[in-house]
Amino acid sequence: DAKTTQPPSMDCAEGRAANLPCNHSTISGNEYVYWYRQIHSQGPQYIIHGLKNNETNEMASLIITEDRKSSTLILPHATLRDTAVYYCIAEDSGYALNFGKGTSLLVTP
Amino acid sequence: NAGVTQTPKFQVLKTGQSMTLQCAQDMNHNSMYWYRQDPGMGLRLIYYSASEGTTDKGEVPNGYNVSRLNKREFSLRLESAAPSQTSVYFCASSESGLVGNEQFFGPGTRLTVL
Repeated sequence: DAKTTQPPSMDCAEGRAANLPCNHSTISGNEYVYWYRQIHSQGPQYIIHGLKNNETNEMASLIITEDRKSSTLILPHATLRDTAVYYCIAEDSGYALNFGKGTSLLVTP
Repeated sequence: NAGVTQTPKFQVLKTGQSMTLQCAQDMNHNSMYWYRQDPGMGLRLIYYSASEGTTDKGEVPNGYNVSRLNKREFSLRLESAAPSQTSVYFCASSESGLVGNEQFFGPGTRLTVL
């Protein structure tokens, strides 16, 4: 599995876009990039995933660089409820997701 | 739909005691998982069940056993609890293990072993 590297913490003002980076320089061709988040002490929640192309859903956008060595999760209009730990995972199957320590995002009023 | 449910929510054990954590899902998912999360850490996979009748070890299986009772239920057993097993335990399920199948998580069981 590719190892991912994320900043331990980030801040974002409410209403602004939150851009969370992830480095996965050793990713292989068949590994997807997944993003999950964990609000306070709840169970993690799936956000989005992608292979090569940029992806968008109702929660977020995922931008993957052309060489696939890094990606950015974008929350377009962050709210206080988006305060959470965000996990970037590179994996070639749906089974053994390696969550790592993630990025703790604090959205401030 | 309740999604993924876990019982109990909290549990305190003494060293050497045994217990079973229960997990059930009502989404007709084929695959189920058990993770543990220690303070300040990410989740680590203990065991998973790709489909009814199969189980496989994850990253940290030592000290645990699992049973896939039927398609809905996947239990985790601690035969002789140790303080190192103090953690929050999450159960999850997914339609399958194919890439892109999101995992749905339960609320967790907070276990303290004294």
